[in-house]
Amino acid sequence: NAGVTQTPKFQVLKTGQSMTLQCAQDMNHNSMYWYRQDPGMGLRLIYYSASEGTTDKGEVPNGYNVSRLNKREFSLRLESAAPSQTSVYFCASTPLYQNTEAFFGQGTRLTVV
Amino acid sequence: GESVGLHLPTLSVQEGDNSIINCAYSNSASDYFIWYKQESGKGPQFIIDIRSNMDKRQGQRVTVLLNKTVKHLSLQIAATQPGDSAVYFCAENSGYSTLTFGKGTMLLVSP
Repeated sequence: NAGVTQTPKFQVLKTGQSMTLQCAQDMNHNSMYWYRQDPGMGLRLIYYSASEGTTDKGEVPNGYNVSRLNKREFSLRLESAAPSQTSVYFCASTPLYQNTEAFFGQGTRLTVV
Repeated sequence: GESVGLHLPTLSVQEGDNSIINCAYSNSASDYFIWYKQESGKGPQFIIDIRSNMDKRQGQRVTVLLNKTVKHLSLQIAATQPGDSAVYFCAENSGYSTLTFGKGTMLLVSP
């Protein structure tokens, strides 16, 4: 089992460009999450999908959109990238919405210049 | 990667020592807690979890202690090894929220 797979691993964007970060899990988990990680800030939740067909904002949703394409896939879109969105992005999944262990992907390191 | 560790509290220990990493949580309604380990350039990995009806749980070389009275969580690593060097995060969850992560502690193990 691959677990949680994110693509790409690295990306450099110019300010104003758009891109989509892809995430897929093969564990039949119901819930999926997107986090960003900045130095000294820990992991901050951007958006989550408690179950297929639903998405909700997390702590820092501004500048992002998400799509829960199916049970396996949850994508994160930056419509107009800004330097403040330079970060490492992690996708995670959990079997249930709450009170269960989260499994993480390897991360996408995004730099916006 | 290493940039994750900038400005984090750091615990430096010698190989073979026992390590204790502490975490204060904020939500008194939290009833599920997890410790994660994050190595340079990788995603967080689950170490151990504990539910609020327990005050201690042991795994292989690791023990988590939960003190609900003072909202404090600790991770004890026995016989610390160089491979334990990483950033360690605690996370809390209640029935009404998603996982909330602490800012992390960097553990440095010297041979």
